[in-house]
Amino acid sequence: EVQLVESGGSLIQPGESLRLSCAVSGFSVSDYHMSWVRQAPGKGLEWVSVMYSGRVTYYADSVQGRFIISRDNVRGTLYLQMNNLRDDDTAVYYCARTHCSGGSCYLNYFDYWGQGTLVTVSS
Amino acid sequence: SSDLTQDPAVSVALGQTVRITCQGDSLRSYFASWYQQKPGQAPIFIIYGEDNRPSGIPDRFSASTSGNIASLTITGAQAEDEADYYCNSRGRGGNHVVFGGGTRLTVL
Repeated sequence: EVQLVESGGSLIQPGESLRLSCAVSGFSVSDYHMSWVRQAPGKGLEWVSVMYSGRVTYYADSVQGRFIISRDNVRGTLYLQMNNLRDDDTAVYYCARTHCSGGSCYLNYFDYWGQGTLVTVSS
Repeated sequence: SSDLTQDPAVSVALGQTVRITCQGDSLRSYFASWYQQKPGQAPIFIIYGEDNRPSGIPDRFSASTSGNIASLTITGAQAEDEADYYCNSRGRGGNHVVFGGGTRLTVL
């Protein structure tokens, strides 16, 4: 059974750093493109970052230069290092797996999601 | 522009058909996928590509694309379909993802 479990969210002050984790089971984290998607309170979904299976990474403009996505294949875990956090980074952060079929993986098709972890940035 | 536009709210009578639309230039190049989200829950993957449903998604959900508009249709809406619906597509040369603002569906 495929599962994604996020952890690491907390209340943190502006300017500080935080690392989120997404532990996966039922598949190998290195075989799929993996993304982080966030949702501010009462707002819509916002894509944050992707790590392709080949380790290439991309970021939304809103987090470029502050956030770093990485993974540990042995631990089966995806990470999001968040630096210089701002009030508007407050959100539930989800990790999501990209859907693959017929030998192709489609970046924007997220077939499995974790339950999310809440990051609150506030002084 | 890579923005995707959705109507903020739509309503449908129980058992009737409703269409939720998503408009954006990126849809001319990439198919959308659609997600259902209920309060306090993670999004659920309900439609992808031209008109494909993941296993377990009822066949009352279907999709289509015409030009720069992607549509999600629910044929015979049920009370449990009341939720927020999001579309997404690719942007920025295909290596970014953009979501629509979401549509809140009310089943009357």
